Amino acid sequence: DSGVTQTPKHLITATGQRVTLRCSPRSGDLSVYWYQQSLDQGLQFLIQYYNGEERAKGNILERFSAQQFPDLHSELNLSSLELGDSALYFCASSPLGGSGEQYFGPGTRLTVT
Amino acid sequence: GQNIDQPTEMTATEGAIVQINCTYQTSGFNGLFWYQQHAGEAPTFLSYNVLDGLEEKGRFSSFLSRSKGYSYLLLKELQMKDSASYLCAVRVDRGSTLGRLYFGRGTQLTVWP
Repeated sequence: DSGVTQTPKHLITATGQRVTLRCSPRSGDLSVYWYQQSLDQGLQFLIQYYNGEERAKGNILERFSAQQFPDLHSELNLSSLELGDSALYFCASSPLGGSGEQYFGPGTRLTVT
Repeated sequence: GQNIDQPTEMTATEGAIVQINCTYQTSGFNGLFWYQQHAGEAPTFLSYNVLDGLEEKGRFSSFLSRSKGYSYLLLKELQMKDSASYLCAVRVDRGSTLGRLYFGRGTQLTVWP
């Protein structure tokens, strides 16, 4: 158990819908990262937050958005869902002052039908 | 962008030793990480190298040569449970992107009895 929690574990929804994925980082970690992992792709970095501020953006679609709240939990919002958005979505957190190792949550498996 | 290469697949026999290589080309390099990921599960942190040389941690060791842009993960006394994908990731600190990890596509290791 990494200490990072994600909800829900599974999500099945239809094309065109909107969903919100939630992540709580390890206690004391200020950085949160979101990744997408499809069957035929590696881990794709989406976005990074540090203490509530957006720090870096990767290959995140305009239909996707995220935020980190004052209590440091983060939410990833996916809208106008397409079949190709079906994937595992991971959240990770890393401690301040460490080597940069990231600890991953168990992931949310999103299926768009 | 970053270029991280590792073999797609490897196979080995229980009890044997296997070496998984990773090469990278990046600017702002500040460390290399190895993660293990079982199918459908979250990546788990295995090792970290920032200086040249070998880091040993039980049955797993990781080596780094910064001048050659090269790392390997060495797994000894292989067990069936070591069958998993092994991800190489480099930390890049450049500009405002502090602590971002760039992941390779992973090496799928299959251990046979």
